[in-house]
Formats: sequence, structure tokens, C-alpha cells
Amino acid sequence: QVQLQESGPGLVKPSETLSLTCTVSGGSISSYYWSWIRQPPGKGLEWIGYIYYSGSTNYNPSLKSRVTISVDTSKNQFSLKLSSVTAADTAVYYCARVATHYYGSGGYYYYMDVWGKGTTVTVSS
Amino acid sequence: EIVLTQSPGTLSLSPGERATLSCRASQSVSSSYLAWYQQKPGQAPRLLIYGASSRATGIPDRFSGSGSGTDFTLTISRLEPEDFAVYYCQQWAGTFGQGTKLEIK
Repeated sequence: QVQLQESGPGLVKPSETLSLTCTVSGGSISSYYWSWIRQPPGKGLEWIGYIYYSGSTNYNPSLKSRVTISVDTSKNQFSLKLSSVTAADTAVYYCARVATHYYGSGGYYYYMDVWGKGTTVTVSS
Repeated sequence: EIVLTQSPGTLSLSPGERATLSCRASQSVSSSYLAWYQQKPGQAPRLLIYGASSRATGIPDRFSGSGSGTDFTLTISRLEPEDFAVYYCQQWAGTFGQGTKLEIK
């Protein structure tokens, strides 16, 4: 059974770079898309971006200038970097596996079926 | 960017009642990309429905999804105590709706 675990500093100073890693256990990182999502305190979910195991990426346009997602298949990990952080980036950060499911006629379902427990990152001096 | 608007913001119902949650998109969304998630306090979201109407593994059949184009619905036929939570719709690789909080009346 695939499990995901986020790790990284819980406190980041303003203007610095937030760095998180998601470790995939119980399965291979290959042949899947992997995603980052965040949730500010008391607010809703915000999709940050995804990466395919081969390295192709897609980011939320509102964060694109500050986000980098990378993958290390040898370690079964993928990572998030968010630069120039402010207090508005304080949130619980989740990583998730993206399942793709062929349903015929060239069509695929895409959905996030396995989630990590989340890690809280606070931006403060 | 497609905006997903969920309604109502809060829904107050009693166990045993039927819940109908709406997700409306600002422009047409492929049904194959529309998913619903449930989130309880202090927990990660859990996938309920994908492809607008397919239940995820292990999800009880009291949960059902429907819709196409710009209007999607999550229905819970008979509420159980454990169903009171926040529900989000999402278009794959896009925004989430703002959520509907389902609370006990």
C-alpha cells in the first residue's frame, strides 16, 4: 500500500525559500504524476502543481514564478521549492499521488488518490 | 483560469437526511477531470468521486456524483454521523472549489 510522507523545516523566514520533500513508500514513483497542494489555516485547498516521474511539470499560474517541483526517482522522492515566501505562504502542505485511469476512446481520468498526512510550514521571522 | 464555485457554503442537516452539494464551473470542464474530496478536521483530504461520477475504492454507495459541462453535484443519500465534514470539488490540475461544510443540525 503506497504511503506518502512530507518532510522539511516547519519554520521559514520571510523572503527565503521553502523546501519540502515527499517520500513515496510501498510503491514506485515511476509511471505516475505527483502533486503538491496546500491549505492556509482555516481556509480551503490550493493546488500548487504536479510533476510526472519523467520530470515534466505543470504549475498553478498564481504561483508559477516562485515554484519548482522536482523528482528523484532513485530515492523515490519528489520535492517542492517555493521562493520569496511571505506570511501568506503559511499553510499545511500536502503531497499526493495522481492516478490516471484509462476509460476508453483515448480518454483518461486524473485524480489524487493517495495523500500524505501534511506538514505545517510557518513563515515568520 | 476556470473557477469552481460550490454551494451552499454550509449545509446543516440531520443524520439520515439526504445531502446535495453543488459545484459550478465558470466554463465547461471535462467530466473526466472532475473529482470530489472529503476533509475532516486535522486530516488530509480523501478522494470520494473521480470522473464526476465514479466512486473511489472503499467509498460507500450512499455517495454519488453526477453532472457535466459546468454543473456537478455530489449527493449523499442518507447521512451517517461520519459524513459531517468539508467537501471540495476540483478540476484536475486546477483550482479547488471553496468547499461546502456539512454540519449536524
